[in-house]
Amino acid sequence: NAGVTQTPKFQVLKTGQSMTLQCAQDMNHNSMYWYRQDPGMGLRLIYYSASEGTTDKGEVPNGYNVSRLNKREFSLRLESAAPSQTSVYFCAGRQASSGNTIYFGEGSWLTVV
Amino acid sequence: AQSVTQLDSHVSVSEGTPVLLRCNYSSSYSPSLFWYVQHPNKGLQLLLKYTSAATLVKGINGFEAEFKKSETSFHLTKPSAHMSDAAEYFCVVSRPYNNNDMRFGAGTRLTVKP
Repeated sequence: NAGVTQTPKFQVLKTGQSMTLQCAQDMNHNSMYWYRQDPGMGLRLIYYSASEGTTDKGEVPNGYNVSRLNKREFSLRLESAAPSQTSVYFCAGRQASSGNTIYFGEGSWLTVV
Repeated sequence: AQSVTQLDSHVSVSEGTPVLLRCNYSSSYSPSLFWYVQHPNKGLQLLLKYTSAATLVKGINGFEAEFKKSETSFHLTKPSAHMSDAAEYFCVVSRPYNNNDMRFGAGTRLTVKP
């Protein structure tokens, strides 16, 4: 039982490049989330998926797209990376039966130069 | 609308002394409240949560928090700090049964001195 797994852990991109962050969970979560963490700002929600086949914008969606491929997988795509997207990205999942607790992956460190 | 304010960006204590990390919240609903801990280069781990049951909530590693509606606070405490408690702590508020709208505090970095 790996929990929430995200890849890659570290990535350096040039401005304008694209990339996809992958996230998979084996905890039967219905809801999945992508957050970004910046110094002094806590975590901010980028996008979420309340169930397979649905996605919704969070607090800071601009510059990102997501795809809920199936119940297990929820990917985050940067189509044209910008230095402002340098951040630590966390994927998370939630199952209502667990008391609405959210479980986080270990993070992906992204630097855009 | 809901929000969280963590009153201290950095707290430093000596090993064996009490820990107090302060959190105030604002919510239009009866909130669910959480404390998460993040060790360096790791993801966030749930310490404890309040979801309208007992107002004094006990979590892992000896931490506890008390929900005080009159003060809109949810402060995190531990009687005796351990070196392994050094980490970043986040207070989080959400609507009950709707964690799609969770709001995180900016975090409090806890340093534990030997």
